Amino acid sequence: GAVVSQHPSRVICKSGTSVKIECRSLDFQATTMFWYRQFPKQSLMLMATSNEGSKATYEQGVEKDKFLINHASLTLSTLTVTSAHPEDSSFYICSASRDSHTSETQYFGPGTRLLVL
Amino acid sequence: QKEVEQDPGPLSVPEGAIVSLNCTYSNSAFQYFMWYRQYSRKGPELLMYTYSSGNKEDGRFTAQVDKSSKYISLFIRDSQPSDSATYLCAIAGNTGKLIFGQGTTLQVKP
Repeated sequence: GAVVSQHPSRVICKSGTSVKIECRSLDFQATTMFWYRQFPKQSLMLMATSNEGSKATYEQGVEKDKFLINHASLTLSTLTVTSAHPEDSSFYICSASRDSHTSETQYFGPGTRLLVL
Repeated sequence: QKEVEQDPGPLSVPEGAIVSLNCTYSNSAFQYFMWYRQYSRKGPELLMYTYSSGNKEDGRFTAQVDKSSKYISLFIRDSQPSDSATYLCAIAGNTGKLIFGQGTTLQVKP
């Protein structure tokens, strides 16, 4: 099967610090990776779409300078939350797809829980 | 109006019951319809994927799409306690971007 991992699974940081979250496709090459945010008892909200080797496409209302996304290889994408604040505390989930135009083949990671104190 | 509406529940049923989960959507341009299961503090897991009106069955799960009413459903037969989770519907067009419903929390009691 297609396995996607995320690291770390949980992180606690002080306000003002930056946090990097890694998303890896373990057994396939991911043309496209997606980053979502999920607040408690709410649905997943797409933050950005990244294609290997190109700049990420951010959804409306998502600050690209605050949420830095790098997709340097076909198996790794990183999300860096810069100068994190308590309101950034959330569950961040990535997904990876072999094909950017086929919704079915989006495989989700286990998520990273971020708590900003 | 949200693009996808889903009753968050919670929904509590006895073991063995038939569960019905539903979503409505607003944009008729959406072509792909999915159901995901999400256990607490975990990422979503794809359960069912359909792209046309009608029924699709996989074991105890049946996905139903009615494009004319913009209504999608997931039925779970012979529900088990291990089915207790949050069920998310998702829709997509040709871009590959998924739009999720709020999720319905299901509890199946032994």
